Amino acid sequence: GEDVEQSLFLSVREGDSSVINCTYTDSSSTYLYWYKQEPGAGLQLLTYIFSNMDMKQDQRLTVLLNKKDKHLSLRIADTQTGDSAIYFCAESIENNNDMRFGAGTRLTVKP
Amino acid sequence: DSGVTQTPKHLITATGQRVTLRCSPRSGDLSVYWYQQSLDQGLQFLIQYYNGEERAKGNILERFSAQQFPDLHSELNLSSLELGDSALYFCASSEDVNQPQHFGDGTRLSIL
Repeated sequence: GEDVEQSLFLSVREGDSSVINCTYTDSSSTYLYWYKQEPGAGLQLLTYIFSNMDMKQDQRLTVLLNKKDKHLSLRIADTQTGDSAIYFCAESIENNNDMRFGAGTRLTVKP
Repeated sequence: DSGVTQTPKHLITATGQRVTLRCSPRSGDLSVYWYQQSLDQGLQFLIQYYNGEERAKGNILERFSAQQFPDLHSELNLSSLELGDSALYFCASSEDVNQPQHFGDGTRLSIL
């Protein structure tokens, strides 16, 4: 199974908040990331959080990390139609050289 | 724009052929990563190079190989292509290992 798990779909109305959740299994994760992929494009690094942090806010984006439960979330405030994309959660582990990605959550924003 | 450049954007070829995908990392980044994204397998890590040397291997087939050159650009070589190799191939780069990776726009490979 996946080391990083995400729900596959999320649908919200324009102007609402979106919350995308992710769970990971490796307690030695050092960085946790959120990437956005729009159709036909590459993965855009949205934000990341170091594992000793609980929260990081960047404009409309808020990342929450619950290390005890190995749970990461991305909240998008005032969601816009341009936020429609696939959002990938990923973890990297100290002394390991690869990054593990979740399967991605497809966010659909309805007007 | 991530600063990572991949060429070509699209590639269409036949089974049994060989192709080379090219990646130029962001200025100053020493580490290059290759990923394969397909509908059924999701995003799979293939291989990583750091300053010209192979650093880590993921789910890379023996028919595939890569290298990183002294100018830090990297090439991914895919040979004896099969229909199942059709996918998006992404390159990413980072300053150092275990640092945030920045992705290129990918090369879409279609095998007919």
